[in-house]
Amino acid sequence: EVQLVESGGNLVQPGRSLRLSCAASGFTFDDYAMHWVRQAPGKGLEWVSGISWNSGNIGYADSVKGRFTISRDNAKNSLYLQMNSLRAEDMALYYCAKANRGSTWYPFDSWGQGTLVTVSS
Amino acid sequence: QSVLTQPPSASGTPGQRVTISCSGSSSNIGSNTVNWYQQLPGTAPKLLIYSNNQRPSGVPDRFSGSKSGTSASLAISGLQSEDEADYYCAAWDDSLNGHWVFGGGTKLTVL
Repeated sequence: EVQLVESGGNLVQPGRSLRLSCAASGFTFDDYAMHWVRQAPGKGLEWVSGISWNSGNIGYADSVKGRFTISRDNAKNSLYLQMNSLRAEDMALYYCAKANRGSTWYPFDSWGQGTLVTVSS
Repeated sequence: QSVLTQPPSASGTPGQRVTISCSGSSSNIGSNTVNWYQQLPGTAPKLLIYSNNQRPSGVPDRFSGSKSGTSASLAISGLQSEDEADYYCAAWDDSLNGHWVFGGGTKLTVL
């Protein structure tokens, strides 16, 4: 059974940094692309970033480009999101999602339960 | 404002058939497949339809998807109370080095 467990969400002041992690199990992690998708309170889904199976292809939403960095450690079956210069509009529930193939353009077929990032002074 | 356009709400009575539309452009739906996600209240999204009309194992055949040009639709037949949820369409967009885009979501109410 695929399991994705996010962690690292917290209350942080605007302008500060936070690192999210996603621990994956139940599948061969290095065969699949992975993504971060967020959902602001009461709002819809927004894709944040994606990374291919070998980290050779990485993409970001315009809203986070230059501030967020996605990475993965296939030896540790883990996905990360380094978030710098956080803004109030970054406040959301951040989901880790697995793609159904190794490239970032394949759809997400499994999701974690999310980790909450609150940005407030 | 979302790149893909969905109606904010839809409703139906038990047993009815409802459809939810999703409109995009040539760079997303027009050139890539559409996927649908169901988000039950307080839970993470779940893949409902992928590649326009394919159901993952475990998804009832009451759910079906279609695509034509730059639009797509999700149909739910034999509506049940447990179908009350938010539904999102998503597609890969080829512009700007490629990225994923979502619809704004449709809240389905079972009356």
